[in-house]
Amino acid sequence: NAGVTQTPKFQVLKTGQSMTLQCAQDMNHEYMSWYRQDPGMGLRLIHYSVGAGITDQGEVPNGYNVSRSTTEDFPLRLLSAAPSQTSVYFCASSLDRGLNSPLHFGNGTRLTVT
Amino acid sequence: AQSVTQLDSHVSVSEGTPVLLRCNYSSSYSPSLFWYVQHPNKGLQLLLKYTSAATLVKGINGFEAEFKKSETSFHLTKPSAHMSDAAEYFCVVSEREAGSARQLTFGSGTQLTVLP
Repeated sequence: NAGVTQTPKFQVLKTGQSMTLQCAQDMNHEYMSWYRQDPGMGLRLIHYSVGAGITDQGEVPNGYNVSRSTTEDFPLRLLSAAPSQTSVYFCASSLDRGLNSPLHFGNGTRLTVT
Repeated sequence: AQSVTQLDSHVSVSEGTPVLLRCNYSSSYSPSLFWYVQHPNKGLQLLLKYTSAATLVKGINGFEAEFKKSETSFHLTKPSAHMSDAAEYFCVVSEREAGSARQLTFGSGTQLTVLP
Protein backbone atom coordinates (compact mmCIF):
# COMPACT_ATOMS: atom_id res chain seq x y z
CA ASN A 1 0.00 0.00 0.00
CA ALA A 2 2.11 2.89 -1.31
CA GLY A 3 -0.06 5.84 -0.18
CA VAL A 4 1.47 9.15 -1.31
CA THR A 5 4.75 8.88 -3.22
CA GLN A 6 7.01 11.86 -3.84
CA THR A 7 10.06 12.02 -6.06
CA PRO A 8 12.83 13.00 -5.89
CA LYS A 9 13.78 12.85 -2.20
CA PHE A 10 16.54 15.43 -2.62
CA GLN A 11 17.30 18.03 -5.28
CA VAL A 12 19.84 20.81 -5.71
CA LEU A 13 19.13 23.53 -8.28
CA LYS A 14 20.92 26.62 -9.43
CA THR A 15 19.05 29.93 -9.42
CA GLY A 16 16.94 30.22 -12.56
CA GLN A 17 16.66 26.50 -13.27
CA SER A 18 13.28 24.84 -13.51
CA MET A 19 12.13 21.46 -12.30
CA THR A 20 9.08 19.39 -11.48
CA LEU A 21 8.40 17.68 -8.17
CA GLN A 22 6.33 14.57 -8.67
CA CYS A 23 3.48 13.38 -6.46
CA ALA A 24 1.30 10.33 -6.93
CA GLN A 25 -1.33 8.72 -4.70
CA ASP A 26 -2.98 5.33 -5.10
CA MET A 27 -5.91 5.82 -2.70
CA ASN A 28 -8.33 7.39 -5.22
CA HIS A 29 -8.32 10.59 -3.19
CA GLU A 30 -10.20 13.55 -4.59
CA TYR A 31 -8.18 16.24 -2.81
CA MET A 32 -4.43 16.81 -3.28
CA SER A 33 -2.19 19.60 -2.10
CA TRP A 34 1.37 20.87 -1.90
CA TYR A 35 2.92 22.39 1.22
CA ARG A 36 6.29 23.82 2.01
CA GLN A 37 7.83 23.46 5.44
CA ASP A 38 10.29 26.02 6.75
CA PRO A 39 11.79 26.10 10.27
CA GLY A 40 9.50 27.71 12.84
CA MET A 41 6.74 28.37 10.29
CA GLY A 42 4.78 25.14 10.28
CA LEU A 43 3.41 24.11 6.90
CA ARG A 44 2.18 26.60 4.32
CA LEU A 45 -0.15 25.68 1.49
CA ILE A 46 1.17 26.35 -2.02
CA HIS A 47 -1.54 24.95 -4.33
CA TYR A 48 -4.33 22.45 -4.05
CA SER A 49 -6.71 20.47 -6.23
CA VAL A 50 -10.21 19.21 -5.50
CA GLY A 51 -10.32 16.87 -8.48
CA ALA A 52 -8.88 16.17 -11.91
CA GLY A 53 -8.78 19.34 -13.99
CA ILE A 54 -9.35 21.65 -11.00
CA THR A 55 -6.59 23.53 -9.19
CA ASP A 56 -6.43 26.60 -6.99
CA GLN A 57 -3.89 28.74 -5.18
CA GLY A 58 -3.01 28.44 -1.54
CA GLU A 59 -1.22 30.81 0.79
CA VAL A 60 2.16 31.00 -1.02
CA PRO A 61 1.61 30.22 -4.74
CA ASN A 62 4.08 32.63 -6.36
CA GLY A 63 6.81 30.91 -8.37
CA TYR A 64 4.97 27.59 -8.56
CA ASN A 65 2.59 25.98 -11.04
CA VAL A 66 0.48 22.85 -10.75
CA SER A 67 -1.78 20.74 -12.93
CA ARG A 68 -4.07 17.79 -12.24
CA SER A 69 -4.66 15.79 -15.40
CA THR A 70 -5.43 12.56 -13.53
CA THR A 71 -6.81 11.70 -10.10
CA GLU A 72 -3.52 10.07 -9.13
CA ASP A 73 -0.92 12.68 -10.06
CA PHE A 74 -0.33 16.24 -8.91
CA PRO A 75 3.07 17.59 -10.03
CA LEU A 76 4.50 20.87 -8.74
CA ARG A 77 6.58 22.94 -11.15
CA LEU A 78 9.16 25.51 -10.19
CA LEU A 79 9.42 27.84 -13.16
CA SER A 80 12.64 29.70 -12.29
CA ALA A 81 14.12 28.59 -8.99
CA ALA A 82 15.13 31.18 -6.41
CA PRO A 83 17.06 30.74 -3.13
CA SER A 84 13.86 31.65 -1.25
CA GLN A 85 12.38 28.39 -2.54
CA THR A 86 14.89 26.35 -0.56
CA SER A 87 12.60 24.28 1.62
CA VAL A 88 11.12 20.86 2.26
CA TYR A 89 8.08 20.20 0.09
CA PHE A 90 5.27 17.86 1.06
CA CYS A 91 2.48 16.51 -1.05
CA ALA A 92 -0.67 15.51 0.84
CA SER A 93 -3.99 14.02 -0.16
CA SER A 94 -7.34 13.37 1.46
CA LEU A 95 -10.43 11.47 0.47
CA ASP A 96 -12.37 14.69 -0.04
CA ARG A 97 -12.66 18.28 1.17
CA GLY A 98 -14.61 17.30 4.25
CA LEU A 99 -13.64 18.94 7.52
CA ASN A 100 -12.97 15.54 9.04
CA SER A 101 -10.92 14.08 6.20
CA PRO A 102 -7.35 13.71 7.44
CA LEU A 103 -4.42 14.42 5.15
CA HIS A 104 -2.06 11.65 4.08
CA PHE A 105 1.46 12.94 3.52
CA GLY A 106 4.34 11.86 1.35
CA ASN A 107 7.85 11.70 2.79
CA GLY A 108 8.89 15.02 1.31
CA THR A 109 11.36 16.49 -1.17
CA ARG A 110 14.25 18.47 0.26
CA LEU A 111 15.11 21.21 -2.23
CA THR A 112 18.16 23.46 -2.11
CA VAL A 113 18.53 26.39 -4.51
CA THR A 114 22.00 27.89 -4.75
CA ALA B 1 -10.62 33.44 10.68
CA GLN B 2 -8.82 30.68 12.49
CA SER B 3 -5.44 30.36 14.14
CA VAL B 4 -3.47 27.76 16.05
CA THR B 5 -0.93 28.39 18.79
CA GLN B 6 1.33 25.65 20.05
CA LEU B 7 2.46 27.07 23.33
CA ASP B 8 5.84 25.32 23.53
CA SER B 9 8.32 25.05 20.68
CA HIS B 10 10.35 22.46 22.62
CA VAL B 11 9.35 19.99 25.34
CA SER B 12 11.76 17.64 27.08
CA VAL B 13 10.65 14.70 29.25
CA SER B 14 12.28 11.64 30.75
CA GLU B 15 11.34 8.21 29.47
CA GLY B 16 8.42 6.84 31.44
CA THR B 17 7.08 10.25 32.53
CA PRO B 18 3.93 11.94 31.21
CA VAL B 19 3.85 14.03 28.07
CA LEU B 20 1.81 17.24 27.66
CA LEU B 21 1.89 19.20 24.41
CA ARG B 22 -0.30 22.28 24.46
CA CYS B 23 -2.43 23.67 21.65
CA ASN B 24 -4.83 26.63 21.71
CA TYR B 25 -6.95 27.59 18.75
CA SER B 26 -9.34 30.24 17.60
CA SER B 27 -12.14 29.53 15.20
CA SER B 28 -15.27 31.31 14.03
CA TYR B 29 -17.19 28.09 13.56
CA SER B 30 -17.16 24.57 14.95
CA PRO B 31 -13.81 23.23 13.84
CA SER B 32 -12.32 19.82 13.47
CA LEU B 33 -8.95 19.43 15.16
CA PHE B 34 -6.05 17.11 14.45
CA TRP B 35 -2.70 16.19 15.89
CA TYR B 36 0.04 14.96 13.54
CA VAL B 37 3.49 13.60 14.32
CA GLN B 38 6.58 14.01 12.14
CA HIS B 39 9.62 11.83 12.64
CA PRO B 40 12.94 13.00 11.14
CA ASN B 41 13.01 13.01 7.34
CA LYS B 42 9.45 11.72 7.17
CA GLY B 43 6.06 13.12 6.28
CA LEU B 44 3.39 13.95 8.84
CA GLN B 45 1.36 11.06 10.23
CA LEU B 46 -2.09 11.41 11.78
CA LEU B 47 -2.17 10.75 15.54
CA LEU B 48 -5.80 11.57 16.27
CA LYS B 49 -8.70 13.80 15.31
CA TYR B 50 -11.61 15.55 17.01
CA THR B 51 -14.82 15.78 15.03
CA SER B 52 -17.44 17.07 17.51
CA ALA B 53 -18.26 13.65 18.93
CA ALA B 54 -16.54 12.68 22.21
CA THR B 55 -14.42 15.45 23.67
CA LEU B 56 -11.73 12.99 24.80
CA VAL B 57 -10.13 11.49 21.73
CA LYS B 58 -7.83 8.48 21.73
CA GLY B 59 -5.19 8.10 19.06
CA ILE B 60 -2.39 5.81 18.08
CA ASN B 61 0.61 4.89 20.22
CA GLY B 62 -1.17 5.70 23.51
CA PHE B 63 -1.74 9.39 22.80
CA GLU B 64 -4.98 11.17 23.60
CA ALA B 65 -6.29 14.71 23.46
CA GLU B 66 -9.14 16.54 25.14
CA PHE B 67 -11.20 19.18 23.37
CA LYS B 68 -12.15 21.99 25.77
CA LYS B 69 -14.36 24.52 24.04
CA SER B 70 -14.47 26.91 27.01
CA GLU B 71 -10.68 27.09 27.01
CA THR B 72 -10.31 26.77 23.21
CA SER B 73 -7.68 24.14 23.83
CA PHE B 74 -6.81 20.74 22.39
CA HIS B 75 -3.84 19.52 24.40
CA LEU B 76 -2.09 16.24 23.55
CA THR B 77 -1.12 13.88 26.36
CA LYS B 78 0.45 10.49 26.92
CA PRO B 79 0.80 8.85 30.35
CA SER B 80 4.29 7.45 29.82
CA ALA B 81 6.82 8.65 27.24
CA HIS B 82 8.81 6.22 25.14
CA MET B 83 12.05 6.93 23.33
CA SER B 84 10.28 6.38 20.02
CA ASP B 85 7.95 9.32 20.79
CA ALA B 86 10.77 11.79 20.12
CA ALA B 87 9.53 13.75 17.11
CA GLU B 88 7.84 17.00 16.11
CA TYR B 89 4.13 17.35 16.75
CA PHE B 90 1.70 19.60 14.90
CA CYS B 91 -1.76 20.75 15.95
CA VAL B 92 -4.08 21.48 13.00
CA VAL B 93 -7.45 23.23 12.81
CA SER B 94 -9.87 22.45 10.01
CA GLU B 95 -12.68 24.88 9.31
CA ARG B 96 -14.97 25.59 6.40
CA GLU B 97 -15.07 29.27 5.56
CA ALA B 98 -18.17 30.66 3.89
CA GLY B 99 -18.15 30.11 0.14
CA SER B 100 -14.83 28.32 0.06
CA ALA B 101 -13.31 24.94 0.52
CA ARG B 102 -11.89 23.60 3.75
CA GLN B 103 -9.32 25.83 5.43
CA LEU B 104 -6.51 24.04 7.27
CA THR B 105 -4.24 25.91 9.64
CA PHE B 106 -1.10 24.30 11.05
CA GLY B 107 0.57 25.20 14.30
CA SER B 108 4.28 25.93 14.19
CA GLY B 109 5.13 22.61 15.85
CA THR B 110 6.46 21.29 19.17
CA GLN B 111 9.69 19.34 19.21
CA LEU B 112 9.50 16.55 21.81
CA THR B 113 12.75 15.21 23.25
CA VAL B 114 12.67 12.05 25.37
CA LEU B 115 15.62 11.60 27.72
CA PRO B 116 16.78 8.13 28.79
